[in-house]
Amino acid sequence: ETGVTQSPTHLIKTRGQQVTLRCSSQSGHNTVSWYQQALGQGPQFIFQYYREEENGRGNFPPRFSGLQFPNYSSELNVNALELDDSALYLCASSLIMAGASGYTFGSGTRLTVV
Amino acid sequence: DQQVKQNSPSLSVQEGRISILNCDYTNSMFDYFLWYKKYPAEGPTFLISISSIKDKNEDGRFTVFLNKSAKHLSLHIVPSQPGDSAVYFCAASVAGYGGSQGNLIFGKGTKLSVKP
Repeated sequence: ETGVTQSPTHLIKTRGQQVTLRCSSQSGHNTVSWYQQALGQGPQFIFQYYREEENGRGNFPPRFSGLQFPNYSSELNVNALELDDSALYLCASSLIMAGASGYTFGSGTRLTVV
Repeated sequence: DQQVKQNSPSLSVQEGRISILNCDYTNSMFDYFLWYKKYPAEGPTFLISISSIKDKNEDGRFTVFLNKSAKHLSLHIVPSQPGDSAVYFCAASVAGYGGSQGNLIFGKGTKLSVKP
């Protein structure tokens, strides 16, 4: 059984640019959740996707958007990057009925905005 | 406003002894609590959970205790092993919150170091 794969592992962007992060969910999982972990903080919920629809959203502005594809993989898009967007972005896949105890997290994408 | 607080950024314990990691929460609507372990350069991995209808859940060396009146939970690791050295996150959720079963509120984490 494959785990959750995130790409890229690291990237550096300039303020104002746009970025797309990718997540391949674990085989058999149908739900993807995205979290932002700033330095010294715990992960913060961005949104969750189930059946290609947004299934809940945290306190993040609309410039954070996502997609889920028919194969359950997902993208996180961030427009108009700000310095405070620098963080580790974690993706977690699960089965919708398993809840958070069934989360499998990827290793994350480290985004640095300069 | 932090709804889940882990007030100890770090904890150092001798191998074989007990490690106790603490977590406090403020939202009385939370009904499910989880602990995750995170090694450097890896994603968090689920460790153990507890529903608000219970006050204790045990899994091998790991036990989580929940005190709802005090809005406090703790993770006990007995005996502690060097491989347990990691950052431990406490997380809480409300089932069905915002339509998302997986909307977790995390604490800032406690870095556990188990010395041989």
